[in-house]
Amino acid sequence: NAGVTQTPKFQVLKTGQSMTLQCAQDMNHEYMSWYRQDPGMGLRLIHYSVGAGITDQGEVPNGYNVSRSTTEDFPLRLLSAAPSQTSVYFCASSYESFGNTEAFFGQGTRLTVV
Amino acid sequence: GESVGLHLPTLSVQEGDNSIINCAYSNSASDYFIWYKQESGKGPQFIIDIRSNMDKRQGQRVTVLLNKTVKHLSLQIAATQPGDSAVYFCAEKRPSGSARQLTFGSGTQLTVLP
Repeated sequence: NAGVTQTPKFQVLKTGQSMTLQCAQDMNHEYMSWYRQDPGMGLRLIHYSVGAGITDQGEVPNGYNVSRSTTEDFPLRLLSAAPSQTSVYFCASSYESFGNTEAFFGQGTRLTVV
Repeated sequence: GESVGLHLPTLSVQEGDNSIINCAYSNSASDYFIWYKQESGKGPQFIIDIRSNMDKRQGQRVTVLLNKTVKHLSLQIAATQPGDSAVYFCAEKRPSGSARQLTFGSGTQLTVLP
């Protein structure tokens, strides 16, 4: 049981490049989400999904796209990377909504945009 | 505006002493609160949660206290150990039923001194 797996762990992008951050969970959780963590700030919700085929925007969705074609996978796409997107990104999943049960987080992806 | 915040950004305690980490919230409608621990280079890890119909909940070496009158949440760690050194942050959920409504604080860095 691997839990929540994120890849890559580190990434450097040039401004304007696109890339996909991968997230997979093997716990059959319905709820998955992406957060970004910046110095001195709490985790901010980018996008979330309540089940396969269903996604919605969080607090800071601009510049990011998501899709949820399977229960297991929830990739985050950066369309055209900007320096403001330099951050640590965390994927999380839980069986029910995050307010009712424990959320499991991945190890994070540290992204630098130059 | 509404926020979840921490009184102190850093806290240093002697090994074996008890630690108390505080969190203030401003939304009186929040009905669920969670404490997370984040070690360096890792994702947040669930510690303990509490619902608004409770004022105290205990886990293994940890206790969460909720004071709804002053909108204050605290995490108490008994007999603090070196492995407890990490960033601790609280999160609150508003009763909208959506993962979107989980708001995280910015965190307190706990350092355990030998």
